[in-house]
Amino acid sequence: GAVVSQHPSWVICKSGTSVKIECRSLDFQATTMFWYRQFPKQSLMLMATSNEGSKATYEQGVEKDKFLINHASLTLSTLTVTSAHPEDSSFYICSAGSPTDRGSGYTFGSGTRLTVV
Amino acid sequence: AQTVTQSQPEMSVQEAETVTLSCTYDTSESDYYLFWYKQPPSRQMILVIRQEAYKQQNATENRFSVNFQKAAKSFSLKISDSQLGDAAMYFCAVYNFNKFYFGSGTKLNVKP
Repeated sequence: GAVVSQHPSWVICKSGTSVKIECRSLDFQATTMFWYRQFPKQSLMLMATSNEGSKATYEQGVEKDKFLINHASLTLSTLTVTSAHPEDSSFYICSAGSPTDRGSGYTFGSGTRLTVV
Repeated sequence: AQTVTQSQPEMSVQEAETVTLSCTYDTSESDYYLFWYKQPPSRQMILVIRQEAYKQQNATENRFSVNFQKAAKSFSLKISDSQLGDAAMYFCAVYNFNKFYFGSGTKLNVKP
């Protein structure tokens, strides 16, 4: 089946630094990748939609300059949290797929736990 | 706006028994997809079952089945012969307008 690799699984960074999270589709090409944020015991909050070769579409209220998304190839999308602050600490999840395969439900990465100290 | 409502924040079921998780949604589209995802403590999202809105027949996957009522915009998940490994958060989701819309989740506890 389709596999999405997300790295790192967890990361601790100092306040003011940047951290990059990678999302790779290992055995399929993903024209679309979604980035979510999940707070403890809450649902997934869509941050942005990343389409290969074009600029990401951010949801209302998500700072595009703070959460930089790049989808340079059909198998890789990255989320960079710039100038991280403790309030950015959260669980970030990506999912990958293609609108033509929307019935498949897309495939999720295993998530990244970010802690900013 | 697309909304997905899971009215049961938490439920419990005895091992080997059957439990039903409810989900209602709101969409103006006629072509969409519905999903149930499971998120165990590892937090890996796992697809449990999916349903195409244009199909009247309810989807089934082994012990998991859905009751899809399109007119009522209801999409409930039935888990038969519950197992300890079924304990997790369950999220209902609707896909349309090129996005997934998730419900708030139902925590399922399975008692031995």
